[in-house]
Amino acid sequence: AQSVAQPEDQVNVAEGNPLTVKCTYSVSGNPYLFWYVQYPNRGLQFLLKYITGDNLVKGSYGFEAEFNKSQTSFHLKKPSALVSDSALYFCAVRPLMNYGGATNKLIFGTGTLLAVQP
Amino acid sequence: DTAVSQTPKYLVTQMGNDKSIKCEQNLGHDTMYWYKQDSKKFLKIMFSYNNKELIINETVPNRFSPKSPDKAHLNLHINSLELGDSAVYFCASSQGGQAQPQHFGDGTRLSIL
Repeated sequence: AQSVAQPEDQVNVAEGNPLTVKCTYSVSGNPYLFWYVQYPNRGLQFLLKYITGDNLVKGSYGFEAEFNKSQTSFHLKKPSALVSDSALYFCAVRPLMNYGGATNKLIFGTGTLLAVQP
Repeated sequence: DTAVSQTPKYLVTQMGNDKSIKCEQNLGHDTMYWYKQDSKKFLKIMFSYNNKELIINETVPNRFSPKSPDKAHLNLHINSLELGDSAVYFCASSQGGQAQPQHFGDGTRLSIL
C-alpha cells in the first residue's frame, strides 16, 4: 500500500537552532513529494516540492528539503528556527501511475507539530 | 481577494439533518478537491473534480455528494448527518499538471450534536 510516514508527532527546538522534520514514503516509482504547513484554524499552505533534479529543494520561509531516493525520505529542514515557525507540518506524496503519469491524489502523512521555544 | 474561500466557516447542526458547504476559487484553476481532517488532524481526500468532471471519488458514504456547477465552484452536500461526520472539511484547487501544488481554503468546521 502507498503511504507516507512522519515518525514524530512533535518536534521541539529552541529558537535559532536548526530544525528537521522527518518524512519517509512508500510508493512505487518516483513520486512527486510536497511539504505543507498548517497554522491554527487555517488551511494548508504549500512550502516546497520535489519533482526531479537536484535533491535539495528550497522553499518558502527559509525551509528546504532533501530528497534521498535510497532511504525513501524527504526530510524538511531549516538552518535557524523562529518562534513563528511553530505549526503543524505535513509531508505529502503524489504517486505515479503504472504508465508513468502522476495521479491527482495527494497522500498525506499524519503531521508533525513543530514547537519552537523562545 | 481570498484565493479559495469556503462558507460557512463553522457549521453546528443536529444528527439527521442535511447541510451544504460551498467553495469558490478565484485562481483560475481547473481542478478542485474536498478533504476531510479528523480530530487527530489526519487529512484524507474525498473527491476531486477537473473541469467539472469527477476524477477522484474515494471510499466515501453515498450521503456525501459533491457538485461542481463550473470550474470555479465545488460544493459538498451531506445528507442524514451522523456524529462521525464531525470534522474540518477543506476545499482546495490546483492548476494543470500533477506537479502543481494545491491551494487550500481555511476549512469548514462541522460539529454534529
